[in-house]
Amino acid sequence: GAGVSQTPSNKVTEKGKYVELRCDPISGHTALYWYRQSLGQGPEFLIYFQGTGAADDSGLPNDRFFAVRPEGSVSTLKIQRTERGDSAVYLCASSLRDGYGEQYFGPGTRLTVT
Amino acid sequence: LAKTTQPISMDSYEGQEVNITCSHNNIATNDYITWYQQFPSQGPRFIIQGYKTKVTNEVASLFIPADRKSSTLSLPRVSLSDTAVYYCLVGDGNDYKLSFGAGTTVTVRA
Repeated sequence: GAGVSQTPSNKVTEKGKYVELRCDPISGHTALYWYRQSLGQGPEFLIYFQGTGAADDSGLPNDRFFAVRPEGSVSTLKIQRTERGDSAVYLCASSLRDGYGEQYFGPGTRLTVT
Repeated sequence: LAKTTQPISMDSYEGQEVNITCSHNNIATNDYITWYQQFPSQGPRFIIQGYKTKVTNEVASLFIPADRKSSTLSLPRVSLSDTAVYYCLVGDGNDYKLSFGAGTTVTVRA
């Protein structure tokens, strides 16, 4: 079956611009997660959705970052006034349920802020 | 305080068994041990999860001693395609946040 998909695969933007990153989770997965991965490091948790609501957004670095999941399926991570330090791979994952089980990751969106 | 400690890198050859040991001295009673694999330009992929003793699936085995302060991921007869970063994670059974460290880069050579 189809896995988690993310678009675009690559995004280059100028400092100060607004970007949106999209995640399509596996059908039927109620839990959705966003992570950020910098070069040479493991992914870092950003936000967790259970259904339509953000159950935990404690990993978002500041208020320039925001994510939505209006219909409980597709999610969009939005970054305002991008900075060069935002450059990273943004990973989305989904799971059938929450808890410390298997999360299915997408291929990520590589964001480069110039 | 880091939850897990694992080697930065390991080299191996095709057909050999690779064993990656992860230390988690402060593991809690409710914590599970999970391993993920990540290939370049891909997201991490779940390999195996265990609580105690030994767990085996079609990809790997996970050995956990009685004190649970360490665990060893065993990859039998590796091939070039097993070259990847392997992450050891420890977390509560109800915790949805995955905490990744830097992982172990395993390089398999012909």
